[in-house]
Amino acid sequence: DARVTQTPRHKVTEMGQEVTMRCQPILGHNTVFWYRQTMMQGLELLAYFRNRAPLDDSGMPKDRFSAEMPDATLATLKIQPSEPRDSAVYFCASGNWGRGLRSPLHFGNGTRLTVT
Amino acid sequence: AQTVTQSQPEMSVQEAETVTLSCTYDTSESDYYLFWYKQPPSRQMILVIRQEAYKQQNATENRFSVNFQKAAKSFSLKISDSQLGDAAMYFCAYRSRADGVQKLVFGQGTRLTINP
Repeated sequence: DARVTQTPRHKVTEMGQEVTMRCQPILGHNTVFWYRQTMMQGLELLAYFRNRAPLDDSGMPKDRFSAEMPDATLATLKIQPSEPRDSAVYFCASGNWGRGLRSPLHFGNGTRLTVT
Repeated sequence: AQTVTQSQPEMSVQEAETVTLSCTYDTSESDYYLFWYKQPPSRQMILVIRQEAYKQQNATENRFSVNFQKAAKSFSLKISDSQLGDAAMYFCAYRSRADGVQKLVFGQGTRLTINP
């Protein structure tokens, strides 16, 4: 059963430190999303890639967040410097999205980030 | 912008009974898909059911069914014969091709508790 793999599962860091979260999408999927989940805001879209090209990162704080796909098997989300308000669960999701709308997104188990 | 609203932050039901979770959405698009995702305590986001806007017939997956009212922009989830394993957060999600960019927009979620 193919899965989206995220690492690390948990991360605790101090304010000001750099944080890198990694995601391995399902092989063959052409679309990768990053979402952030908090109690207050729910699931927020941060960034969206199609065929490794960034299509939309309007939901991401540009001054400290960056998202990349160095190759088709790896997506990264980096926060530098991290702040306590970044504490959340970060989800990566992948899908095989084309012209149709039927295909769902497959989610990883998330990275729970705590910034102290 | 498309928005998805889940007006019930929490719901509870007795085991073996039926419960309905509500979801409304706002869109000017005619072609879209709707999804229900389940998030148990493990954090994994699991697809429960999906509905294409052009289909009048309501989707059904075993004990899960939807009541899709396109004119009212309503997409409720009915869980029959509730089981303890159904306890989770449930998210309604909307996908379309607005502005040429496909996105999956989520509601705030409903926490479902199953009482034994």
